[in-house]
Amino acid sequence: EDQVTQSPEALRLQEGESSSLNCSYTVSGLRGLFWYRQDPGKGPEFLFTLYSAGEEKEKERLKATLTKKESFLHITAPKPEDSATYLCAVQAYYGQNFVFGPGTRLSVLP
Amino acid sequence: DVKVTQSSRYLVKRTGEKVFLECVQDMDHENMFWYRQDPGLGLRLIYFSYDVKMKEKGDIPEGYSVSREKKERFSLILESASTNQTSMYLCASSPNPGELFFGEGSRLTVL
Repeated sequence: EDQVTQSPEALRLQEGESSSLNCSYTVSGLRGLFWYRQDPGKGPEFLFTLYSAGEEKEKERLKATLTKKESFLHITAPKPEDSATYLCAVQAYYGQNFVFGPGTRLSVLP
Repeated sequence: DVKVTQSSRYLVKRTGEKVFLECVQDMDHENMFWYRQDPGLGLRLIYFSYDVKMKEKGDIPEGYSVSREKKERFSLILESASTNQTSMYLCASSPNPGELFFGEGSRLTVL
């Protein structure tokens, strides 16, 4: 069975304090790993897709990396507006379904 | 710009009522999905559709049905709403292959 776990469950950072969020997964044939940002009361917003181990993608203060067992979302010098829940999801080759992790709730304090 | 539109942001219904949640995407995507999101349980798949008139059960289909008569529209139906269906409902679409694009969500309260 495909599974995704995320750690930590919640993270509080001071503005400018860099850190990383972890997404560990087990899937029978990874088609893609996806990162989303979700603000309270809204739908998740797509950030990145990673397809193979060693791949990296960047967007502003965020950088996502992928290995065969996990993905990291690195946040460099975060700002309060980066506060949100970050979700990780995987999709296997054999189906169209996406399996989501529980998310990491990030708070960046000014 | 990519757009997934859900018909209602907030609904309040009574137990036993029939509820329709509608979702429209303007990206010509093959796949459409309905999830519910609850605190501590994350996103759980209710149903998805990979083509017009085609549907597949997700992890928690009980108490729900869906309809996809046109490619751009995917409806979620609660035949007889119950209090345990109070939740945030999220519609999404995706190309095949490709990432999910979500709507803003519909927060349903069943009294």
